[in-house]
Amino acid sequence: GQNIDQPTEMTATEGAIVQINCTYQTSGFNGLFWYQQHAGEAPTFLSYNVLDGLEEKGRFSSFLSRSKGYSYLLLKELQMKDSASYLCAVRFLSGSARQLTFGSGTQLTVLP
Amino acid sequence: EAGVAQSPRYKIIEKRQSVAFWCNPISGHATLYWYQQILGQGPKLLIQFQNNGVVDDSQLPKDRFSAERLKGVDSTLKIQPAKLEDSAVYLCASSPRDTTGELFFGEGSRLTVL
Repeated sequence: GQNIDQPTEMTATEGAIVQINCTYQTSGFNGLFWYQQHAGEAPTFLSYNVLDGLEEKGRFSSFLSRSKGYSYLLLKELQMKDSASYLCAVRFLSGSARQLTFGSGTQLTVLP
Repeated sequence: EAGVAQSPRYKIIEKRQSVAFWCNPISGHATLYWYQQILGQGPKLLIQFQNNGVVDDSQLPKDRFSAERLKGVDSTLKIQPAKLEDSAVYLCASSPRDTTGELFFGEGSRLTVL
């Protein structure tokens, strides 16, 4: 299978900025997604990158470097409600199928 | 627009019993996925359908798990017999046939095997 690595846990303070990194194997790469998952709930889509560079969407931005097999999710002006697990997911081409493989998630705790 | 519907939300069974989960994807979504999410881990793909055909079931433990998507709409995931390590949340997701491939998840079915 494809390895996707991201930190297990992070802690930050309300109002601060936090960066969550994700590295992956580049073979067969076909796109990278970030999902947010609150405890006991389903993952919800945050962002999608297929080309190198930064995609900005409000307080959240996602960056991709395909040659390095690296992405990060940047969360600005942190709010308490941002406490959640952030899942890096990479779409790989396998034959004619496109498989979406998830990392184990980074549990972010936002402190007051 | 209605989201992905799953049932039951919670199920508790003893090992060696059987269980079935049902999923109704968003109307018009051609692709349907079943993921298994063990506590503290990311979702793991079990099976992917395109309409009513299987695209990928390489990680489905076929000796005990089975899934079908009749008529290319609803899907059922069955586990028989269940093992303790099957305790997890079973997430169903669907996606339209577009280029971004964003997945829309249901709320999941939480299985506890005792």
